Amino acid sequence: EVQLMESGGTLVKPGGSLRLSCVGSGFSFSSSAMNWVRQAPGKGLEWVASMTSSGTHERYADSVKGRFTISRDNAENSLYLQLTDLATEDTAVYFCARGGGSYSYWGQGTLVTVSS
Amino acid sequence: EIVLTQSPGTLSLSPGERATLSCRASQSLITGYLAWYQQKPGQAPRLLVYAASTRAAGISDRFSGSGSGTDFTLTISRLEPEDFAVYYCQQYDTAVTFGPGTKLDIK
Repeated sequence: EVQLMESGGTLVKPGGSLRLSCVGSGFSFSSSAMNWVRQAPGKGLEWVASMTSSGTHERYADSVKGRFTISRDNAENSLYLQLTDLATEDTAVYFCARGGGSYSYWGQGTLVTVSS
Repeated sequence: EIVLTQSPGTLSLSPGERATLSCRASQSLITGYLAWYQQKPGQAPRLLVYAASTRAAGISDRFSGSGSGTDFTLTISRLEPEDFAVYYCQQYDTAVTFGPGTKLDIK
């Protein structure tokens, strides 16, 4: 069974930093492109960042470029998202998702709240 | 950036009826790389259709996707109680963007 489990979400002050983690199981993590998608409370889905299976290539939404960094450790079946210079508008549930185009599997998400 | 517009914003129907959800792209998706997701409250999205018309594994044949270019449609042939949810389209032709969603609720 494919599983994705995010962690690391918490309450953080504006300007703060945080690292989110996502551990995958039940599939070939090292062969899978991986992604982060977020959803602000009561709002729609917003793509955040993607990384190729080898970690060679990454891309970001304009709204997070220069502030967020996606990375992965294939030996640990783990995907990460480093969030810096956080603003209140970054408050959201952050999902990791598997796939190189459409996203076939999603985790349950981890909540990041940015508030003073 | 390719902007996706979904209509209607809210669709109120009864079980057994047919639902037609629309997704329009601001520029042509030459590859046809358009997906549809279902999301229920408190849950992660679930992939229904990819490449405009291919059903994902385990998805009921009551769900069908169609369209090309800038206009795409998700049709649910006979609504079941569990189908009432929010539906999002996603394009992955050029980077990735999601539409704002259509809420399908019970009339």
